[in-house]
Amino acid sequence: GAVVSQHPSRVICKSGTSVKIECRSLDFQATTMFWYRQFPKQSLMLMATSNEGSKATYEQGVEKDKFLINHASLTLSTLTVTSAHPEDSSFYICSARTEYEQYFGPGTRLTVT
Amino acid sequence: AQSVTQLGSHVSVSEGALVLLRCNYSSSVPPYLFWYVQYPNQGLQLLLKYTTGATLVKGINGFEAEFKKSETSFHLTKPSAHMSDAAEYFCAVVTGYSTLTFGKGTMLLVSP
Repeated sequence: GAVVSQHPSRVICKSGTSVKIECRSLDFQATTMFWYRQFPKQSLMLMATSNEGSKATYEQGVEKDKFLINHASLTLSTLTVTSAHPEDSSFYICSARTEYEQYFGPGTRLTVT
Repeated sequence: AQSVTQLGSHVSVSEGALVLLRCNYSSSVPPYLFWYVQYPNQGLQLLLKYTTGATLVKGINGFEAEFKKSETSFHLTKPSAHMSDAAEYFCAVVTGYSTLTFGKGTMLLVSP
């Protein structure tokens, strides 16, 4: 089956710094990728939809200037958390869509100290 | 608009017992339905999906689900639970070319 990778799997950063998370579709091309955020013991919340070569579409309540999304190629999307704060600590999961299915990455655990 | 309701945030079963995780959906058009499993600190793995055709869908690890349009349900079952089935399970729905909408998840606990 299709594989989606994320890097890094875990990251700890200091408050005020920026962190970049990469999402790659390893064996297929994805015109659309999604970024989700998951709080402990809760469901996935869609943050934004990313289309290759165009600006991401953010869900209501998600700060686009704080969560920068770039979808530069059909196999790579990045999420940059700018000026991170402890409340940004969470589990971030990306997903890539083919015509019929969404495939999920393994997630990135971000801890902001 | 579409939505998913998973009844029960936690379900506890004994090893070897029947597993039943409930999912009801709301959709104005024919839905595609999915069940995903998430192990701690990992992403989501697709268990099974219903798109069209046969309403009883078989997935991985012995799980199956039945799409019942009249009941707007897509409950997940497994005849005999294993310890390794302990995880969080998410039901999800998509219609047309919309994005996945997830339920809140059900934690399955399996006791020896």
